[in-house]
Amino acid sequence: QVQLQESGPGLVKPSETLSLTCTVSGGSISSYYWSWIRQPPGKGLEWIGYFYHSGNTNYNPSLKSRVTISEDTSKNQFSLKLSSVTAADTAVYYCARASSAMYSSKWYDWFDPWGQGTLVTVSS
Amino acid sequence: SSDLTQDPAVSVALGQTVRITCQGDSLRSYYASWYLQKPGQAPVLVIYGKNNRPSGIPDRFSGSSSGNTASLTITGAQAEDEADYYCHSRDSSGNHLGVFGGGTKLTVL
Repeated sequence: QVQLQESGPGLVKPSETLSLTCTVSGGSISSYYWSWIRQPPGKGLEWIGYFYHSGNTNYNPSLKSRVTISEDTSKNQFSLKLSSVTAADTAVYYCARASSAMYSSKWYDWFDPWGQGTLVTVSS
Repeated sequence: SSDLTQDPAVSVALGQTVRITCQGDSLRSYYASWYLQKPGQAPVLVIYGKNNRPSGIPDRFSGSSSGNTASLTITGAQAEDEADYYCHSRDSSGNHLGVFGGGTKLTVL
């Protein structure tokens, strides 16, 4: 059974770079694609981006200029870097395994499983 | 603003049926997935695609889609179904970008 665990600093200063790692256990990171999702306190979910084991990425257009998602296959981990953070980036950050399939010519994606999430606060 | 629109709050009497909807142009081209989230916990997948349930999800949860609307139906709502529910799908760009609905808080009375 695949499990995911986020790790990284819980406090980041404004204008600095937020860095988080997701460690995947119980399965190979090379077998699926992966995603980061965040949730500001008291608000809804926001998709951040995908990392495909081909090395390609897709990012939320609203964050694209500041986001990098990459992987370390030797450690079975993938990471998130978000630069030039502000208080608006304060959120619980989740990593998740992503999958896609097609039925009747319509694609669909889903996230399962998810990590437990880690709160990152941006404050001086 | 989100490309997927959900009612902020819905209520249902214990044991009754409730439908939670998600509207957006991209849903004409893509199916949605649905997640429930209880306070302090990570979201959990409950429905994906046309109407697929992960193992361990009760069969009172079902999904459907028509036009620009995806729906999650709970038939015989239980107290433990009280949670926030989010839909997810691709956006309208066709570039495999994701988008979540704003979420629906379900209260079981």
